Amino acid sequence: SAVISQKPSRDICQRGTSLTIQCQVDSQVTMMFWYRQQPGQSLTLIATANQGSEATYESGFVIDKFPISRPNLTFSTLTVSNMSPEDSSIYLCSVGTSGRYEQYFGPGTRLTVT
Amino acid sequence: AQTVTQSQPEMSVQEAETVTLSCTYDTSENNYYLFWYKQPPSRQMILVIRQEAYKQQNATENRFSVNFQKAAKSFSLKISDSQLGDTAMYFCAFIAGRDDKIIFGKGTRLHILP
Repeated sequence: SAVISQKPSRDICQRGTSLTIQCQVDSQVTMMFWYRQQPGQSLTLIATANQGSEATYESGFVIDKFPISRPNLTFSTLTVSNMSPEDSSIYLCSVGTSGRYEQYFGPGTRLTVT
Repeated sequence: AQTVTQSQPEMSVQEAETVTLSCTYDTSENNYYLFWYKQPPSRQMILVIRQEAYKQQNATENRFSVNFQKAAKSFSLKISDSQLGDTAMYFCAFIAGRDDKIIFGKGTRLHILP
């Protein structure tokens, strides 16, 4: 399995500001995903980060609010823009290899918006 | 619609006991993969066990095993000789067809009591 790191591990931000979360993998992977998880709840997929093209967003998530970059096969960023307290959550990235049908997760970023 | 149902929101068992977590799923695909993920309080999502739907033999990983009943669309997780470190939220999930997106259940919070 891949070793995945996320930065920052946690942050407290003021409303109206933006935070960029980084996801780094120790090997090249085909698939990278971004999830949001409210405390004690299941995971909600935000988008699939595509290398070399725009991310594919799930219903209810838009690029202006959650811009995503994926410059190469080992790195991706998720920005949470113009934050409000409703954005307080855990954000996780996951990686997978097309055809292997399994995903591995980063340690998550706990975001609190005040 | 593809769904995963975990009917036990929370469970508690004594250390060293055996516990079974229930999961049912729904998909019209014939080719899919089933997973159990563990998320301890540290929030790192860990892949516990994986089952390919085309395999009749139930997957096992040390103290963790599954009971896969394809016709009933059931995929339960058995933890033998439970340990305090097994305390976590457990998510049942699957990937179906050609899509690499994971569908998660709502999770079962498992407490192992000393």
